[in-house]
Amino acid sequence: AQSVTQLDSQVPVFEEAPVELRCNYSSSVSVYLFWYVQYPNQGLQLLLKYLSGSTLVESINGFEAEFNKSQTSFHLRKPSVHISDTAEYFCAVSSGTFQGAQKLVFGQGTRLTINP
Amino acid sequence: NAGVTQTPKFRVLKTGQSMTLLCAQDMNHEYMYWYRQDPGMGLRLIHYSVGEGTTAKGEVPDGYNVSRLKKQNFLLGLESAAPSQTSVYFCASSSLSPVVAFFGQGTRLTVV
Repeated sequence: AQSVTQLDSQVPVFEEAPVELRCNYSSSVSVYLFWYVQYPNQGLQLLLKYLSGSTLVESINGFEAEFNKSQTSFHLRKPSVHISDTAEYFCAVSSGTFQGAQKLVFGQGTRLTINP
Repeated sequence: NAGVTQTPKFRVLKTGQSMTLLCAQDMNHEYMYWYRQDPGMGLRLIHYSVGEGTTAKGEVPDGYNVSRLKKQNFLLGLESAAPSQTSVYFCASSSLSPVVAFFGQGTRLTVV
């Protein structure tokens, strides 16, 4: 069965500092990879996804993630964070499809706290 | 754009009571899902549906039932609530393309 490990449960950083949230998954087959963000008391929103093609994917708000097949990783990075990035971040992998349905397996989540 | 709407947003149940959570999507998506979110465990798939009238079990289906009588609605039922079902429940929907799940705002359920 698929599994996703987010290596840090909490990451505190100062504003304008760089950040990396780590994600490793277990799979020997092609996968779809996602990062979702959950702001306080809200649902999950897609941040970025890797389906195929370029291994570096970017979001509209400055985050990027790199798919590394050999290391089975999909780490999320941002060169300079803002207070508004305070949220919980979830890495997810599609564990395959059943008649087209994407069954997602999520990591435990990383709570990113930005300090002024 | 409503997207995925969950009803209710909060609920407190006594052990043994039953309830139904409603999920409605207006994006004409074929696929719908119910997840539960627990601290330190991420989200886990309870049940899902690949179309009207069809449902399937996910990772943690015990104690829950689902129905999808209409394409836009996916209901999650708890027949006899237990404290272990205290959680935040999220509904999601997706289509074949793009391969992205859209989530509702969540239902916070407490069973006392």
